[in-house]
Amino acid sequence: AQSVTQLDSQVPVFEEAPVELRCNYSSSVSVYLFWYVQYPNQGLQLLLKYLSGSTLVKGINGFEAEFNKSQTSFHLRKPSVHISDTAEYFCAVSEVGGSNYKLTFGKGTLLTVNP
Amino acid sequence: NAGVMQNPRHLVRRRGQEARLRCSPMKGHSHVYWYRQLPEEGLKFMVYLQKENIIDESGMPKERFSAEFPKEGPSILRIQQVVRGDSAAYFCASSPPFRPTVRFGNTIYFGEGSWLTVV
Repeated sequence: AQSVTQLDSQVPVFEEAPVELRCNYSSSVSVYLFWYVQYPNQGLQLLLKYLSGSTLVKGINGFEAEFNKSQTSFHLRKPSVHISDTAEYFCAVSEVGGSNYKLTFGKGTLLTVNP
Repeated sequence: NAGVMQNPRHLVRRRGQEARLRCSPMKGHSHVYWYRQLPEEGLKFMVYLQKENIIDESGMPKERFSAEFPKEGPSILRIQQVVRGDSAAYFCASSPPFRPTVRFGNTIYFGEGSWLTVV
């Protein structure tokens, strides 16, 4: 079984500031890692995913995440945020060798970008 | 993703009533998944369905919960005799007509969610 911990439930930042949303996971097997975003009144949208290879993954809207196996982390970063990045962000994992529909999610981090 | 349609968005039921949540997958998708998000928890997988078949229901509570995806019409998640602990957000997702595997980049697409409140 896997578990995902998002250490911050809310992260307020000012526009154009950098941001890091933290995600740690626990698993007895190898996992794939994902970040999803939910904008207000919309469904969850895949932001980026780590399957294998380079540990630095680039996603949509200027976001990137780095997989750190020794620290079991997959933190999401953006060097300069916009008002439109205000949303809830979910970190998720799925078991390697399984199908991607069985995702284990964290509780989410609400990113609020203020002018 | 706005392509997966869920309704109702908000539903209030009294204890003991039945709740029915509907999900229309994206056009061309024939695989549907239901997830539940309880208060203060992350989304958890409940069930995976294809047209007229339940493929994986390992995350479904054993009693009172059922899901279907008929040949015609939306997928339905049905909760009988609701209790306060059923209050949650229920998310539906869909994927194209082949078994989703991460390695081939297949992604599942989520709807906006349906919020059930049991009073």
